[in-house]
Amino acid sequence: NAGVTQTPKFQVLKTGQSMTLQCAQDMNHEYMSWYRQDPGMGLRLIHYSVGAGITDQGEVPNGYNVSRSTTEDFPLRLLSAAPSQTSVYFCASSYSPTYYEQYFGPGTRLTVT
Amino acid sequence: KNEVEQSPQNLTAQEGEFITINCSYSVGISALHWLQQHPGGGIVSLFMLSSGKKKHGRLIATINIQEKHSSLHITASHPRDSAVYICAVKRGGGSEKLVFGKGTKLTVNP
Repeated sequence: NAGVTQTPKFQVLKTGQSMTLQCAQDMNHEYMSWYRQDPGMGLRLIHYSVGAGITDQGEVPNGYNVSRSTTEDFPLRLLSAAPSQTSVYFCASSYSPTYYEQYFGPGTRLTVT
Repeated sequence: KNEVEQSPQNLTAQEGEFITINCSYSVGISALHWLQQHPGGGIVSLFMLSSGKKKHGRLIATINIQEKHSSLHITASHPRDSAVYICAVKRGGGSEKLVFGKGTKLTVNP
């Protein structure tokens, strides 16, 4: 199993540009989530999904869109990048957030200039 | 006030010392997770607890639901244990969200 994969690992965007961060898992997990990690802030939930076709907002959803058309993939779209979106982004998956281990991707370091 | 508070923020120890990292939370929960983030950035799950105690190698995690508190202990610490340790809780009820503490940075010196 590849586990949770994320692409790209690094990205530099100009303000106003859009892009999609890719996340895929091959463990047949229903629950997938996107987090951003900023210095001194800890991990903050952006969006999550409890299964294909079902998504919901986390703590910091503004400026981001998600969709879940398959169990395996959960892309995160930045609609119009802003410097405040400079961060490290992690995708995670599990059978559920309650009683099961969380698996994290390697992260994407995004810089918006 | 954050729903999940960890202490200490930073911890420096000598190799071989017994380490304790604390996590307190202010909401009802159905599960608590301990995670480890390596200096290279990767995050791995260490434990999931809903009651009692779990042990894996030199790591022990405990939770006291009544006191809303969990501890992560490392026995015979080693420089390779140097990492950020993160506590996360899943709120009780219908919420499917995890809420994270800010992490405790542990440095173990040889």
